[in-house]
Amino acid sequence: GAGVSQSPSNKVTEKGKDVELRCDPISGHTALYWYRQRLGQGLEFLIYFQGNSAPDKSGLPSDRFSAERTGESVSTLTIQRTQQEDSAVYLCAIYGTSGGPRYGTGELFFGEGSRLTVL
Amino acid sequence: RKEVEQDPGPFNVPEGATVAFNCTYSNSASQSFFWYRQDCRKEPKLLMSVYSSGNEDGRFTAQLNRASQYISLLIRDSKLSDSATYLCVVLPSGGSYIPTFGRGTSLIVHP
Repeated sequence: GAGVSQSPSNKVTEKGKDVELRCDPISGHTALYWYRQRLGQGLEFLIYFQGNSAPDKSGLPSDRFSAERTGESVSTLTIQRTQQEDSAVYLCAIYGTSGGPRYGTGELFFGEGSRLTVL
Repeated sequence: RKEVEQDPGPFNVPEGATVAFNCTYSNSASQSFFWYRQDCRKEPKLLMSVYSSGNEDGRFTAQLNRASQYISLLIRDSKLSDSATYLCVVLPSGGSYIPTFGRGTSLIVHP
């Protein structure tokens, strides 16, 4: 999606391996989200970064999941010791447009996602 | 009860038909409401915001009923290109900027 690049687009891994997913938003957006979407399901909130504030990690499903973000730049989502139930599309999103974030409007711009398959 | 609930469908309608989707939410203090569209194997994209007084954008009309805690989306004169999943999204009050997504309603428009 416009303004958010995610990599890899597809990742196949074996159960028990660690994976790292990357989100690279255009500059100037302090709010960044990770969501997960399992096949045929809705979007499940994982984590929210807002500037230099402590991230809201309330959606992370287990301690195998962690995410980092440095300033207003790249974010990485790491899944350790992957399980088959981790198979999903992982979506990164920012608020607003290239003109700047529009907090509270609910308008998220998503990347195209990273499709993770755990065998 | 889930925070945001939608009938998953699918709704299978002919071109030109009018179709309506509803979505219910559990948090009465929710402040903002939206409809997103998601095409198969694509990311969600904002379709329209939902205002208290109701709003229209071409063939699409969105309405909010706070008393009954539901929002609706009406699509008139359906096109083949309207085939997609429509996601109901709710933004809670209290300063949380974490939108909650419904599971989505699948629409299939056939010739």
